[in-house]
Amino acid sequence: QVQLVESGGGVVQPGRSLRLSCAASGFTFSSYAMHWVRQAPGKGLEWVAFMSYDLTTKFYTDSVKGRFTTSRDNSKNTLYLQMNSLRAEDTAVYYCAKEWGDMAFDIWGQGTMVTVSS
Amino acid sequence: DIQMTQSPSSLSASVGDRVTITCRASQSISRYLNWYQQKPGKAPKLLIYGASNLQSGVPYRFSGSGAGTDFTLTISILQPEDFATYYCQQSYSNPPHTFGQGTKLEI
Repeated sequence: QVQLVESGGGVVQPGRSLRLSCAASGFTFSSYAMHWVRQAPGKGLEWVAFMSYDLTTKFYTDSVKGRFTTSRDNSKNTLYLQMNSLRAEDTAVYYCAKEWGDMAFDIWGQGTMVTVSS
Repeated sequence: DIQMTQSPSSLSASVGDRVTITCRASQSISRYLNWYQQKPGKAPKLLIYGASNLQSGVPYRFSGSGAGTDFTLTISILQPEDFATYYCQQSYSNPPHTFGQGTKLEI
């Protein structure tokens, strides 16, 4: 069964750090680019980060550049999002998503909630 | 960055209706346009990729059309399970993969 499972969310104070994980199964993880997308409470979808299948290329949305870092361990079929210097506006459900074809996202995880609050 | 604008933001319809949602890009994106459906508390689900290609397993009542800057998602005969929020997304530029603001389809 093709599946992505996120973990690592929680409540964190502003300025602190959190690392999210996304465990993949049911497909050849090392062959696909992966993305992070977030959704603030009651809001729309916002693309956050991209990681190429071969670890050579990463992109970030402007609001997280310099604070967030995505990485992956293809031997563990896992994608990561290291989030530093967290702000209240980073509060959201964070989804990982598998890229397919012309950069559509065909498989999504269930999401993990990150709340940044003092 | 490419901006994506959906209309309407919300839409009321009835079971059996034909519904069309529009997505406009701030510049030409060829056919690099995808549509997603999201139900409350759930992850988005890919419906249409490449403007008009139906994702495997998606009912045939869903269809997409358009190219360049103007795109539409049509649901031919609304079913109860279709009431959800729909998002368009451009995949012409990487980064960023811009989403539209969403269209909430309500009964």
